[in-house]
Amino acid sequence: GAVVSQHPSRVICKSGTSVKIECRSLDFQATTMFWYRQFPKQSLMLMATSNEGSKATYEQGVEKDKFLINHASLTLSTLTVTSAHPEDSSFYICSATPPSKETQYFGPGTRLLVL
Amino acid sequence: AQSVSQHNHHVILSEAASLELGCNYSYGGTVNLFWYVQYPGQHLQLLLKYFSGDPLVKGIKGFEAEFIKSKFSFNLRKPSVQWSDTAEYFCAVSLDPSGTYKYIFGTGTRLKVLA
Repeated sequence: GAVVSQHPSRVICKSGTSVKIECRSLDFQATTMFWYRQFPKQSLMLMATSNEGSKATYEQGVEKDKFLINHASLTLSTLTVTSAHPEDSSFYICSATPPSKETQYFGPGTRLLVL
Repeated sequence: AQSVSQHNHHVILSEAASLELGCNYSYGGTVNLFWYVQYPGQHLQLLLKYFSGDPLVKGIKGFEAEFIKSKFSFNLRKPSVQWSDTAEYFCAVSLDPSGTYKYIFGTGTRLKVLA
């Protein structure tokens, strides 16, 4: 149980385009989802916390207009990287928590390359 | 600011050697503590967690961790490692368990086990 999927697993796009990444909890309802960014050989950096039906809470230094997060249902959250630039190239990971909220379950990540 | 430190960035061991990975956090309040493992090319998987009670926690695959409140530490141990334990290990701390359940991750420790 507690499986989280992400789609796509890899995406290459041109600079200036927008990219949408989906995060789904497959076998539980996720009241809260988190979005992280992981740089090569570094730890996970929390970008934002997403609660179903409400606006996401962004961490300091993360541009909310750049990284749009929508949590429209209890099993789906999306991250849209708008007007992507090469510096946005990274590994993006989502996690989801069931209603008990105590433990996060992680998706496999999405590798974004912006040319 | 709250932080999580993993002092060992790279560890190389031979099979059957004992493992101990350090994790220290800086936060004076109530915390939930986690160890996650990321095998090459895979997503983060929960090894074990501590919320309360017995400070010695046993997890999957023979791993255990001990919470020492006075030292703000949550070190991960395994008596005898296997080649298949080669992975990256992340310590995470959830502050204010009654709140948002956000994690702060340590920088990770890359473990390589030589056959």
